[in-house]
Amino acid sequence: DAKTTQPPSMDCAEGRAANLPCNHSTISGNEYVYWYRQIHSQGPQYIIHGLKNNETNEMASLIITEDRKSSTLILPHATLRDTAVYYCIVRVAETSGSRLTFGEGTQLTVNP
Amino acid sequence: NAGVTQTPKFRILKIGQSMTLQCAQDMNHNYMYWYRQDPGMGLKLIYYSVGAGITDKGEVPNGYNVSRSTTEDFPLRLELAAPSQTSVYFCASSNPGHWPSGNTIYFGEGSWLTVV
Repeated sequence: DAKTTQPPSMDCAEGRAANLPCNHSTISGNEYVYWYRQIHSQGPQYIIHGLKNNETNEMASLIITEDRKSSTLILPHATLRDTAVYYCIVRVAETSGSRLTFGEGTQLTVNP
Repeated sequence: NAGVTQTPKFRILKIGQSMTLQCAQDMNHNYMYWYRQDPGMGLKLIYYSVGAGITDKGEVPNGYNVSRSTTEDFPLRLELAAPSQTSVYFCASSNPGHWPSGNTIYFGEGSWLTVV
C-alpha cells in the first residue's frame, strides 16, 4: 500500500468548511483513497473513499487531483462533533484484506 | 446488525496472567483484524484473518495468538501479559467482495487493557 503524508494537526471554526489534505505520491493505478476518522476513545469510522473521480456522501466530499498524487477531504460545515483524528489510507479495494496501515493522521479541532 | 462487538470493554491484568479478548461480527464478513493503539499513536495491526481457518501476522504479533474457527468470531489471546501490552485493542472486519464499497473496514468500540 502506498504511503501517505498528512499534517499532524489542523483547526477549523464551527460552521466553516474543514479541508484536510493528504499526499500519496506513490499511489498505484489500482489503489483507492480511503478516509477514516477516530473520535476520542472510539473505534475508527469510515467516511468516504474514491479512485480518481471526486466523491460526495452525506458526511463529506473527497477531491482527488488529476495525477492522483494528493487528495483533500472536505467537511462542508464542521461541527464540534467533527473534532477527531482523520486518517487517509491508500490501498487496493478488491482483495488483500491484510495490512491496512493507519499512519498518525491529522488531529482536527473544531472551535466554537 | 450489531456490527463488530468486542468484550470486555475494560480489563486489568497482572503481569504473567492470560486472557482472551472476544470479537464477533454479524455482517458475514470474511476478513477480520486485530489492532492495538497506544496513547497518542496510530493503529498497529496485530493479526488478521481472511477466512475461517486462516490467520496471519500483522506488524506487531509478538505476545499474541489468534484463531478463526468460524466466520463470525476472531478471539485474541494474550498468554503472558506484560506491561508493554497495555493498550486499546480494536477488532475490525471487512468484505472485499462487496463492490463498490468493498474493503470498507468496520471497527468495534475497543477494549481497554491495563497490565500491572
